[in-house]
Amino acid sequence: AQSVSQHNHHVILSEAASLELGCNYSYGGTVNLFWYVQYPGQHLQLLLKYFSGDPLVKGIKGFEAEFIKSKFSFNLRKPSVQWSDTAEYFCAVNARKDSNYQLIWGAGTKLIIKP
Amino acid sequence: NAGVTQTPKFRILKIGQSMTLQCTQDMNHNYMYWYRQDPGMGLKLIYYSVGAGITDKGEVPNGYNVSRSTTEDFPLRLELAAPSQTSVYFCASSYPGSHNEQFFGPGTRLTVL
Repeated sequence: AQSVSQHNHHVILSEAASLELGCNYSYGGTVNLFWYVQYPGQHLQLLLKYFSGDPLVKGIKGFEAEFIKSKFSFNLRKPSVQWSDTAEYFCAVNARKDSNYQLIWGAGTKLIIKP
Repeated sequence: NAGVTQTPKFRILKIGQSMTLQCTQDMNHNYMYWYRQDPGMGLKLIYYSVGAGITDKGEVPNGYNVSRSTTEDFPLRLELAAPSQTSVYFCASSYPGSHNEQFFGPGTRLTVL
């Protein structure tokens, strides 16, 4: 079955620490992958996306993610986090379901940055 | 562009009451979606639409209904509200060729007591 797994439900880091959030997917077709971010009290916003080409993609606010096909992974990274990165992060894969495509979502990772 | 707008922002319902959550997008997107978000569960797709007059069930459609009479609007109807429908509801839209990159509204926080 198609699924997305985010291994860490909660992550707590200090400012300036490096961040890596794991995302693994289970889908056999052509993958389109997304990371969305939800700041406290706000709606989901696109952080970055991978459709094809360079497996290292850069997004907004200094975030990047690497698509590793052999590992079915799309991990999110940031070299130095800031207090303002406190948010919930969701990984999603665009998967074919019946005659249409749907986003399959991970459960999310809550990131708390200590000032 | 306002993007995707949702009303109301908050609502408290009593068990058995009904209500409609409104969603409007001004980006001329063909595809629209309704999700519910429960703590630690990610987003679950309730219903989606690929164009005016066409709707289909998602993963968790029970207790909900939708209609899509125009490209812009995609209301979600709750009939006979139950405590299990307490959640945050998000509407989203996307367009053909976007690989399903979705644009989200601000959400409606619904409590059923």
